[in-house]
Amino acid sequence: AQSVAQPEDQVNVAEGNPLTVKCTYSVSGNPYLFWYVQYPNRGLQFLLKYITGDNLVKGSYGFEAEFNKSQTSFHLKKPSALVSDSALYFCAVSRTGTASKLTFGTGTRLQVTL
Amino acid sequence: GAVVSQHPSRVICKSGTSVKIECRSLDFQATTMFWYRQFPKQSLMLMATSNEGSKATYEQGVEKDKFLINHASLTLSTLTVTSAHPEDSSFYICSARASNPGVATEAFFGQGTRLTVV
Repeated sequence: AQSVAQPEDQVNVAEGNPLTVKCTYSVSGNPYLFWYVQYPNRGLQFLLKYITGDNLVKGSYGFEAEFNKSQTSFHLKKPSALVSDSALYFCAVSRTGTASKLTFGTGTRLQVTL
Repeated sequence: GAVVSQHPSRVICKSGTSVKIECRSLDFQATTMFWYRQFPKQSLMLMATSNEGSKATYEQGVEKDKFLINHASLTLSTLTVTSAHPEDSSFYICSARASNPGVATEAFFGQGTRLTVV
């Protein structure tokens, strides 16, 4: 069985400050890890992924995430938050293979204020 | 990135009627598509995995006779909510992962369908 934990329901950060949204995972074998963002009443937009290679992954809109195998973590980060980053963020894991289903975390609401 | 189109984006139907939701991969082939349900302020719950040319695989607790899934081609999957009731009101999202070698491994999501049963 595979699972994802996002321990924070909400993260609050001031615009211009760095942000971190936490994610830990559990999966047998090598993981595929993903971050998605969801705006109200919309589907999910892909931000970034880790498949193999460099542990630091850069994605859309200035976001990046660091894969840490020993801590089974894949935290999402951004050096300088924007108010427009406010949204719901989901971490997801799957086993290798494109037909493998994604398992999502419970989501973390990011609130960026002026 | 690849595009997944989901239609309709919003539907209101009367209790007891059936509603069909379409999910299309526009620029890639998807052997497998996934259907999710999302309750307010909650995560996505996988309902079923739709396989082209074969029966869908339903997650535990999901009624296959209630939520009919058809994956008629490599670019189209449909979810039909049969005899809908108010408790079926929810946000339904489809996703697809490319089956072509060399195409991105991430899943692409449709825009979602807000179903309201009155």
